[in-house]
Amino acid sequence: QVQLVESGGGVVQPGRSLRLSCAASGFTFSSHGMHWVRQAPGKGLEWVAVIWYDGSNKYYAHSVEGRFTISRDNSKNILYLQMNSLRAEDTAVYYCARWADNRKWDYWGQGTRVTVSS
Amino acid sequence: DVVMTQTPLSSPVTLGQSASISCRSSQSLVHSDGNTYLSWLQQRPGQPPRLLIYKISDRFSGVPDRFSGSGAGTDFTLEISRVEAEDVGVYYCMQATHFPQSFGQGTKVEIK
Repeated sequence: QVQLVESGGGVVQPGRSLRLSCAASGFTFSSHGMHWVRQAPGKGLEWVAVIWYDGSNKYYAHSVEGRFTISRDNSKNILYLQMNSLRAEDTAVYYCARWADNRKWDYWGQGTRVTVSS
Repeated sequence: DVVMTQTPLSSPVTLGQSASISCRSSQSLVHSDGNTYLSWLQQRPGQPPRLLIYKISDRFSGVPDRFSGSGAGTDFTLEISRVEAEDVGVYYCMQATHFPQSFGQGTKVEIK
């Protein structure tokens, strides 16, 4: 069965960096685009970034462009989100989600919590 | 960017009754390929989001037929018939027609 497991979250000071991972299993990872989405405490969902199935295209939300980098290792079935220059407003639970046919986001991970605080 | 607006933001429902959530987009969600990429997600308390409906009305695998989607263009609706206790949570509409994809604010469904 399809599984997405995020890791790498934690508490970090403003201005520091963190790298999130999303380990995929149960499907052909290299055939699917992948998204990162975040949810600030008590708030709704915010799209963060997307990467094409082969890594050829990457796009970011305006709020993270220039600070976050999405990447993937198809040989290891892992999606990454490198987060630099973190701000308090980046505090959120970060989810990875699979991008499937008909543009549906059909499977989501359980999320990893990132807290940016001094 | 496309703005998705949901109403109501809160919906108290009696068990066994129906609930209806509306979602309006700031521009048409009809893609140049003729499809409308409007999805509905459910987020139960303490859980990640879960796909319920895609392309306006197609139910995802394993989703009960109590959930149905309808609409066209800029106006869409999620109907939950015969509400059960497990349906409590926040429901989001989401568009994937235009880049960047965007979500509604969420509608909280709770039992009266």
